[in-house]
Amino acid sequence: EAGVAQSPRYKIIEKRQSVAFWCNPISGHATLYWYQQILGQGPKLLIQFQNNGVVDDSQLPKDRFSAERLKGVDSTLKIQPAKLEDSAVYLCASSLGLAGGPWNEQFFGPGTRLTVL
Amino acid sequence: GENVEQHPSTLSVQEGDSAVIKCTYSDSASNYFPWYKQELGKRPQLIIDIRSNVGEKKDQRIAVTLNKTAKHFSLHITETQPEDSAVYFCAARNYTGANSKLTFGKGITLSVRP
Repeated sequence: EAGVAQSPRYKIIEKRQSVAFWCNPISGHATLYWYQQILGQGPKLLIQFQNNGVVDDSQLPKDRFSAERLKGVDSTLKIQPAKLEDSAVYLCASSLGLAGGPWNEQFFGPGTRLTVL
Repeated sequence: GENVEQHPSTLSVQEGDSAVIKCTYSDSASNYFPWYKQELGKRPQLIIDIRSNVGEKKDQRIAVTLNKTAKHFSLHITETQPEDSAVYFCAARNYTGANSKLTFGKGITLSVRP
């Protein structure tokens, strides 16, 4: 089966610019996650969707970050305006969600490496 | 919230030796503990996980043990090979439903010397 797809793979922008990332989860996966992975650290959850509804966005810097999953499939994550400290790999992951039971695995995409200059 | 810590940050072993990577967690309600392997420039991939009702789980050369009283769990890799070299992340989650958050540690870089 195809894995989680993300684009672009790399992005370089200047501070105060805007950027958007796209994620296509595994077909049939109801739950979608966006993580931020700063160099040398583990992934940190930014936002979790169950279908097209937000389940957890407690760690999303809402003054500059936004995300949507309008049709319950693909998702976009936007940063506006970007800061130097936003330089990181942004990972998208998906899981079956409720249909998979409580222990269903999260599958990660390849990530988008963002560099803010 | 949950806090997951991994120490040390790097581990180097000789090929064929065993490696043990330890994690501690803070939330006694956490009941699911996965381990992810991330090779350089690649995505994290689940290699093994354990639930709180089990003390140990094994899959070929890898095993995970859980001590709920001490709130720590460990990854054991036997007969290490160069391809085991990667960053290993532990994580913890309170699975009260499908909506609870997975909290990751900072990762340990394992180097297997040929």
